[in-house]
Amino acid sequence: AQKVTQAQTEISVVEKEDVTLDCVYETRDTTYYLFWYKQPPSGELVFLIRRNSFDEQNEISGRYSWNFQKSTSSFNFTITASQVVDSAVYFCALSEVYNQGGKLIFGQGTELSVKP
Amino acid sequence: GAVVSQHPSWVICKSGTSVKIECRSLDFQATTMFWYRQFPKQSLMLMATSNEGSKATYEQGVEKDKFLINHASLTLSTLTVTSAHPEDSSFYICSAVQFTEDYGYTFGSGTRLTVV
Repeated sequence: AQKVTQAQTEISVVEKEDVTLDCVYETRDTTYYLFWYKQPPSGELVFLIRRNSFDEQNEISGRYSWNFQKSTSSFNFTITASQVVDSAVYFCALSEVYNQGGKLIFGQGTELSVKP
Repeated sequence: GAVVSQHPSWVICKSGTSVKIECRSLDFQATTMFWYRQFPKQSLMLMATSNEGSKATYEQGVEKDKFLINHASLTLSTLTVTSAHPEDSSFYICSAVQFTEDYGYTFGSGTRLTVV
C-alpha cells in the first residue's frame, strides 16, 4: 500500500534561514508520481512540484529545490533564504498511477513558521 | 489551466440536516474525482473516489450512507453529508485527476462545514 511520512510536524525558523522538509514514501508500484503542495491558512492547495518515478533529477525553482532519491525513497524539499510568506503547511503526496487508480495520498504535513 | 470550482466555500447547518457540496470541472472532463476531509491541524484524508457514471468507491471507515457521492456527468461530482452532526464539521475538498501527459490533480478551493 502507498504511504507517505513527513516526520516533522512543525518547524520554526527565522527569516533568511534555509529549511528542509523531509518526505519518505512507500510504494510497491514502479510507476508513481510524487508531489509537494503548500496550504496557506486560507485552505486552498497550491501545487509546487510533480516528479515521476523515472526522473531522479533534482529540481530548483527560485528559492525552492527538491531532492528525489529512490534509493532511500525520499523526496525532500528545501527552501533557501526563507521568508515570512513561506509560512504554511506543506504536504508531500504520492500517486500510484496503475495500482491505485490515481489516488493521491498525502503525508501528515509539516507546518512551517518563518519568523521575522 | 484546469480549473475546479467547489461550492459552497463555507456552510453552517443545523444538526440533523443534509448539506450538498458541488465540485465542477470548468474546462475539462473529469472522469475521476476524489473527495477529501481535513480536520484542523491534520492531513487530507481521502474519503472516496468518484467515477463518472458509476458508484463511488469509499475508503475504509467512511460511511457510505452518510457521505453520498454522485458523479452524474463528466463535469460534476457532488458530496452530500446526510443527517449532519457536529463531528462532521470539517474542511472538505475535491480533486479531479487528469490521466494525460501532464498527469496531475486540480483541487477545488474547499468547503468549510460547520454543524451546530
